[in-house]
Amino acid sequence: DIQMTQSPSSLSSSIGDRVTITCQASQDINNYLNWYQHKPGKAPKLLIYDASNLETGVPSRFSGSGSGTDFTFTISSLQPEDIATYYCQQYDNLPPFTFGGGTKVEIK
Amino acid sequence: EVQLVESGGGLVQPGGSLRLSCAASGFTFSSYEMNWVRQAPGKGLEWVSHIRSSGSTIYYADSVKGRFTISRDNAKNSLYLQMNSLRAEDTAVYYCAKQQFVRGSFDSWGQGTLVTVSS
Repeated sequence: DIQMTQSPSSLSSSIGDRVTITCQASQDINNYLNWYQHKPGKAPKLLIYDASNLETGVPSRFSGSGSGTDFTFTISSLQPEDIATYYCQQYDNLPPFTFGGGTKVEIK
Repeated sequence: EVQLVESGGGLVQPGGSLRLSCAASGFTFSSYEMNWVRQAPGKGLEWVSHIRSSGSTIYYADSVKGRFTISRDNAKNSLYLQMNSLRAEDTAVYYCAKQQFVRGSFDSWGQGTLVTVSS
């Protein structure tokens, strides 16, 4: 099975800062990589699909890039409402649809 | 508006069984692949199971294979997860998630239902 290594596991940044999260796959997954935002007590929310495509209605400060095994998720200017845990998820070929370990984003 | 509403969670003893349901509305349920995803306390998201739109193809995570059974009733717009031989490590919030066409991204999720396995 494909393993997803996400880093960092947590980070603390100031409002307006640029935030970057990385995700590495254990083998080539093309661009079959998604990013989700999860707030406590809420349903997870799809932000980015196929590595770099912004889901409808998601603010443009969120972006994704990468292909193959290395992927990056960026918040260009951190806002208070962005406090959440972020997950990458791969879907190369068949299930399992592996999630990364998550990155908890906090305000400094 | 897409809505997914899970139910059926609760407290169950180790070795026991529970059946989760997910009621879908706001989209043509029979056309979409569906999944169950869980989150144990203090842990990350874990994909559990997948079912094709017709129910013809099913996949499970190794951690639940042989104990959990996913199914769907397209006439009732409902997804199910039958959980048997439950263990303490199955304690989690269980989410149903709608999968996008062609892609493996989950574009709609329910609010989740809590399953607690404890004596």
